[in-house]
Amino acid sequence: GAVVSQHPSWVICKSGTSVKIECRSLDFQATTMFWYRQFPKKSLMLMATSNEGSKATYEQGVEKDKFLINHASLTLSTLTVTSAHPEDSSFYICSALRQGGNSPLHFGNGTRLTVT
Amino acid sequence: DAKTTQPPSMDCAEGRAANLPCNHSTISGNEYVYWYRQIHSQGPQYIIHGLKNNETNEMASLIITEDRKSSTLILPHATLRDTAVYYCIVIPNAGNMLTFGGGTRLMVKP
Repeated sequence: GAVVSQHPSWVICKSGTSVKIECRSLDFQATTMFWYRQFPKKSLMLMATSNEGSKATYEQGVEKDKFLINHASLTLSTLTVTSAHPEDSSFYICSALRQGGNSPLHFGNGTRLTVT
Repeated sequence: DAKTTQPPSMDCAEGRAANLPCNHSTISGNEYVYWYRQIHSQGPQYIIHGLKNNETNEMASLIITEDRKSSTLILPHATLRDTAVYYCIVIPNAGNMLTFGGGTRLMVKP
């Protein structure tokens, strides 16, 4: 159990366009999802915490208007990179917390975004 | 989160045990030790966690010292597919967001 699906696994887009990344918990309900970003050969950095039905909490230095997060249901959170620029190219990874349980976080397989 | 210290890299021969150390000398009494690994271009994968007792599952064993200031993740028979970055993380309880340090890059060699 505890499968987290992330889609797409990779995407290439042009500068100025927006890209939406989906994160789904397939076999459990997730009240909280976390979005991370990872640059090559670096560790994961937390971008924001997403709670179902409320506004996301962003880490310092992460622009909330650029990285729009929506967590409209207990099984789906989306991250939209708006007006993407080449410096937004990165590996984006989500993780989901099972509702009510004291269980480990489980991660999606990431989305590699390349902005040309 | 309490800070952890891990060696940046380690090598291990295929079929041998891989012992990955982690120091967490400032760990608090209610903090768990979690281990994740990340294979190249994939999301982190949960391995094991513990509070103070040693733990074992189908993937690995976790040995926590009595003073809880350090731990060792043991992969009993490493395979080439175990090549990954291994992260040791301490958090107050399950379900907290995870803060990733540099981890240990384990290279399993034939």
